[in-house]
Amino acid sequence: QSVLTQPPSASGTPGQRVTISCSGSSSNIGSNYVYWYQQLPGTAPKLLIYRNNQRPSGVPDRFSGSKSGTSASLAISGLRSEDEADYYCAAWDDSLSGLYVFGTGTKVTVL
Amino acid sequence: QVQLVQSGAEVKKPGASVKVSCKASGYTFTSYYMHWVRQAPGQGLEWMGIINPSGGSTSYAQKFQGRVTMTRDTSTSTVYMELSSLRSEDTAVYYCARDMTTVVSSPGGDWGQGTLVTVSS
Repeated sequence: QSVLTQPPSASGTPGQRVTISCSGSSSNIGSNYVYWYQQLPGTAPKLLIYRNNQRPSGVPDRFSGSKSGTSASLAISGLRSEDEADYYCAAWDDSLSGLYVFGTGTKVTVL
Repeated sequence: QVQLVQSGAEVKKPGASVKVSCKASGYTFTSYYMHWVRQAPGQGLEWMGIINPSGGSTSYAQKFQGRVTMTRDTSTSTVYMELSSLRSEDTAVYYCARDMTTVVSSPGGDWGQGTLVTVSS
């Protein structure tokens, strides 16, 4: 099972702000960058945030990432129907021979 | 533009092996590491390992050590992931994903379309 823990679900109405947490430890989030991925139904994941809070080109600034200690979070502001997807955090873990670990995933529902 | 095109779906019996290919185009193949990630039906993402297409060096997740082999063919810009001793729990969609930088960083913005591997007797 994953060493990065996320809430299984989150929801909001259009226009609201939704925050997803990702809890890890000193060997992963505490000492490495955090990445966030969005996976729309039936598609490959898409990189949303890299190096804790950087957005690849083309990712709207409605998406923002932050990190504090051994936890990280992804915020989606101005929630839109097309944001309904699964979201995963990820990080390298120094304790497991350079393993890259994904979070348990959070399903975001737009009500 | 960057394209990663994977081989088609496979059905295998328990105990068999499967080899999935990922053909890259649109960039210098040997400049970017390639990751393999899998996703069982209805489950989350699981990182399997990484290969350096330049020298062929690999690093595998501990869970797959001894069962997975990642290789590359620079003449065709293709990476391969072979998984042996298949069991039903290996039924999943397998993705290749290019690293986002020319040094090891993370699976980036370019992913293959996924290959469904079904293990069933």
